Amino acid sequence: DIHMTQSPSSVSASVGDSVTITCRASQGISTWLAWYQHKPGRAPNLLVYPASTLHSGVPSRFRGSGSGTDFTLTIAPVQPEDFATYYCQQAYSFPLTFGQGTTVEVK
Amino acid sequence: EVQLLESGGGLAQPGGSLRLSCVASGFSISAYAFNWVRQAPGKGLEWVSVISGGGNSANYADSVNGRFIMSRDDSENTLYLQMYSLKVEDTAVYYCAKTNVFHPPPGASDKWGPGTRVTVSS
Repeated sequence: DIHMTQSPSSVSASVGDSVTITCRASQGISTWLAWYQHKPGRAPNLLVYPASTLHSGVPSRFRGSGSGTDFTLTIAPVQPEDFATYYCQQAYSFPLTFGQGTTVEVK
Repeated sequence: EVQLLESGGGLAQPGGSLRLSCVASGFSISAYAFNWVRQAPGKGLEWVSVISGGGNSANYADSVNGRFIMSRDDSENTLYLQMYSLKVEDTAVYYCAKTNVFHPPPGASDKWGPGTRVTVSS
């Protein structure tokens, strides 16, 4: 199985800040990586797939990058609606695996 | 509008069974593979299973393999997750998610339902 490691597990930010979340795969996955945003009690939303392609309707302040084993998601500038938990997920092989999540909190 | 709506969750005893349904509206499910993903209380997202477009193949997480069966009825625009031999650790919110491909991998979940809660407890 491919293990996904996200960091940090949480980050505090103010509106207008820039936040970067990293995700590392235990083996190369090319660019087959997705980023999701999840708010409590809501359905998760796809932000980026593959690796650096913004999903339809996602604001341009979200940016994904990386390939192989190392990936990043940057949010700049953070907006009030961006406080949520973010997950990376490899789409390269089964079983699909998620990172443990990164919560973006209000500073 | 593309929508997914899960149902069938509830309380089950350890060793019991439940069948989850996911009804799609606003599009035909026939062209897409679908995932079930769950989130246990206080935990992150965990992939459970996938079924390809056409239903010819399915894959499962080791934690549910042999106990859960995923199926689809394209004529009813509905996905199912039949869960047997439930364990306390199956307690979670279960999400149905549409992928952007017919036969993954690869493929991402580009539309999710709001989830249905399953509680396994005696």
